[in-house]
Amino acid sequence: GQNIDQPTEMTATEGAIVQINCTYQTSGFNGLFWYQQHAGEAPTFLSYNVLDGLEEKGRFSSFLSRSKGYSYLLLKELQMKDSASYLCAVRDRRGRRSNYQLIWGAGTKLIIKP
Amino acid sequence: EAQVTQNPRYLITVTGKKLTVTCSQNMNHEYMSWYRQDPGLGLRQIYYSMNVEVTDKGDVPEGYKVSRKEKRNFPLILESPSPNQTSLYFCASSSRGETQYFGPGTRLLVL
Repeated sequence: GQNIDQPTEMTATEGAIVQINCTYQTSGFNGLFWYQQHAGEAPTFLSYNVLDGLEEKGRFSSFLSRSKGYSYLLLKELQMKDSASYLCAVRDRRGRRSNYQLIWGAGTKLIIKP
Repeated sequence: EAQVTQNPRYLITVTGKKLTVTCSQNMNHEYMSWYRQDPGLGLRQIYYSMNVEVTDKGDVPEGYKVSRKEKRNFPLILESPSPNQTSLYFCASSSRGETQYFGPGTRLLVL
């Protein structure tokens, strides 16, 4: 079946580094997204990985290992505004159709402390 | 400005009273989708549309209807709302299943 797991909540200190993990099981993997969602707001796109390796974008980096069904989001130099939920989503082939669906993890709530 | 808009943003209603949540995007995206988000469950897809007049069920379609008569609009209809449809709803659009852009959300309370 399809399944995405990520920790429910994490706590980190301002200025530090935090790694948020995501493991997945899908039948037709076609890419992995990370989104950020502040409380009560819409998710916003952070990163997209379709090939193995690390994608760096400023303070945020995302890593993918397709053979292990594993990804992580790395946040450096944490700021208070990084307090948010981080959603992992996998694009998976939709059944018999040639299109794809996004399967979402429940999200990791990241709490930043001064 | 490229955006997805939803209305209303907040709605309190009673069981059985039909309601419609509108969604509109100005990015000429083919793909549009409706999600509901509940604590601990993440985003769950209700319905999606690959293009005009093409709609299909997502993971939790029961109790909902949609239509896609124009490319920019994708309204969500609750014919007879029930309390278990109390949730935060998001509309999203994308070009051919790429990065999704989300509307601001509609918080619905069904009494």
